[in-house]
Amino acid sequence: KAGVTQTPRYLIKTRGQQVTLSCSPISGHRSVSWYQQTPGQGLQFLFEYFSETQRNKGNFPGRFSGRQFSNSRSEMNVSTLELGDSALYLCASSLAEGTGANVLTFGAGSRLTVL
Amino acid sequence: GENVEQHPSTLSVQEGDSAVIKCTYSDSASNYFPWYKQELGKGPQLIIDIRSNVGEKKDQRIAVTLNKTAKHFSLHITETQPEDSAVYFCAASKGSNYQLIWGAGTKLIIKP
Repeated sequence: KAGVTQTPRYLIKTRGQQVTLSCSPISGHRSVSWYQQTPGQGLQFLFEYFSETQRNKGNFPGRFSGRQFSNSRSEMNVSTLELGDSALYLCASSLAEGTGANVLTFGAGSRLTVL
Repeated sequence: GENVEQHPSTLSVQEGDSAVIKCTYSDSASNYFPWYKQELGKGPQLIIDIRSNVGEKKDQRIAVTLNKTAKHFSLHITETQPEDSAVYFCAASKGSNYQLIWGAGTKLIIKP
């Protein structure tokens, strides 16, 4: 059974650019959630999508957005990149809606460096 | 808002010894407490979780204890092995309609 696949694994951007990250969940999983991981800050929740609808959103500016397609694959976009956006972006999938009580299966992440 | 504090940030133990990581949460309505292990270059993986109606849960060498009165829960790893070296994250939530609130992580180092 294939795991959660995130692409690209590494990318370098400059300030002001935008970036799109992709996440393919485990087959059959309909919930995809996104997290930003920075050293010493743990995982900060960005948003969760279930059945193509955003179900929950964390405390991030509007530059961070996402969407989910009918096959449950999800993308997140960050516009007008800032140096502080440099981080590991993780996505996780689960069978049911709601990250608060379900087992999350994470991908290996996309490491974004903003210069 | 909900906050989860995790200690220590780094823990170094001799192979074969036990390791204990502690988390404290602020919202007394929290009822789900998972622990995730993140190995180098990988995403976090659930290793054990506990719900508020249970005080302790064990799975081979790992165990989690929950003290609802004090609002803290701990991860216990016995007979540590080199493959236990990783970053461990605790989290807490009030249920499926709420998001997980994560601790900052503990880097566990197993010394040979």
